[in-house]
Amino acid sequence: EPEVTQTPSHQVTQMGQEVILRCVPISNHLYFYWYRQILGQKVEFLVSFYNNEISEKSEIFDDQFSVERPDGSNFTLKIRSTKLEDSAMYFCASRDWTADFGPQHFGDGTRLSIL
Amino acid sequence: AQSVSQHNHHVILSEAASLELGCNYSYGGTVNLFWYVQYPGQHLQLLLKYFSGDPLVKGIKGFEAEFIKSKFSFNLRKPSVQWSDTAEYFCAVNGKAAGNKLTFGGGTRVLVKP
Repeated sequence: EPEVTQTPSHQVTQMGQEVILRCVPISNHLYFYWYRQILGQKVEFLVSFYNNEISEKSEIFDDQFSVERPDGSNFTLKIRSTKLEDSAMYFCASRDWTADFGPQHFGDGTRLSIL
Repeated sequence: AQSVSQHNHHVILSEAASLELGCNYSYGGTVNLFWYVQYPGQHLQLLLKYFSGDPLVKGIKGFEAEFIKSKFSFNLRKPSVQWSDTAEYFCAVNGKAAGNKLTFGGGTRVLVKP
């Protein structure tokens, strides 16, 4: 079964540094998402992306965050200047266009630790 | 704004016991409902989903869930659990528009003792 893959599995970064989290969605999927889960808290929606543009973003997704689909296969989340509170598990998800609004498929996540 | 509540944070039970996890949602419109499971060290996997039709949906690994519209609930059940069902379970909802974000409940950690 095709999978969503995320790299790296664990990223440790100094506060203030830029970080890029990478995702390879399932190849025929059209909608892409980033979620995060701070330790002990709910999985929270960050952003959705369709047709090469952001379709929706949460209030968490401020100017420090950006997403890109640079080459038709990768989907990246960039945090420009990381803060301690950005430490979390970041999940990428993708879904296709189906008549019954198919479910989102998730990657294994990247654990981001900001020091 | 949509929200999802899961009543239990932790559940501990023995093998062969029955499991029911509660989920209530708040959303101003027609919804799709999902249960995801996360086994230790693994990614979120879809257990089952409800879009329309029969409110009793059956998923993988013997799980089922019932959508009760009047109660805004989508409870997950399994008649007889196994040790391998030890995992965290997440209820999620999105609106009936393509591309809509998922809103998750807080999750329920289930520990099945052998």
